[in-house]
Amino acid sequence: DTGVSQDPRHKITKRGQNVTFRCDPISEHNRLYWYRQTLGQGPEFLTYFQNEAQLEKSRLLSDRFSAERPKGSFSTLEIQRTEQGDSAMYLCASSFNSGGETDTQYFGPGTRLTVL
Amino acid sequence: AQSVTQLGSHVSVSEGALVLLRCNYSSSVPPYLFWYVQYPNQGLQLLLKYTSAATLVKGINGFEAEFKKSETSFHLTKPSAHMSDAAEYFCAVSEGYGQNFVFGPGTRLSVLP
Repeated sequence: DTGVSQDPRHKITKRGQNVTFRCDPISEHNRLYWYRQTLGQGPEFLTYFQNEAQLEKSRLLSDRFSAERPKGSFSTLEIQRTEQGDSAMYLCASSFNSGGETDTQYFGPGTRLTVL
Repeated sequence: AQSVTQLGSHVSVSEGALVLLRCNYSSSVPPYLFWYVQYPNQGLQLLLKYTSAATLVKGINGFEAEFKKSETSFHLTKPSAHMSDAAEYFCAVSEGYGQNFVFGPGTRLSVLP
């Protein structure tokens, strides 16, 4: 168990550019979540996957944001035409849910995005 | 929809003193409750969770939390603070299977020598 990993850890980009982040969950975890965290705030839910299916998206996830988990393993989060307001820490979490009570989410170290 | 409030964005305690971090929740169903800790430039680490078993939950690093339904609270405590406890602490609520976590705004804990 190597934990949840995220790449890159830091990304600096210019406004209007596209960026893509990757998350590798704990192996055998069937659920994967994306959150956004701004300075001084708690994480805000963006979207989550059960295996390869994207089951829910937050209203925070504008049309410029897209997430995929094509094979039910790693996931990517893409932001198109970045804006300064997109600057935040993007956190990925994974969990295993067998249909019982709520699952415990394990978080990666995050990708810090700075949009200039 | 569920929500979480954490009273006190910043709490300072002396080393060896009691740590008390407050969390109140709102939920339309019996909730699942979590405390996470975040060290600078790191992801969140689970401290403990309440899943409708014992109301007093013990976690890692000497922390514990008590679920009080009548007060809709899930306060985090530690009898004796250590310098290494300085971090940001987040309370989170989930309404169960298929539901997502809602996090509170966090409380920054400072431990003074």
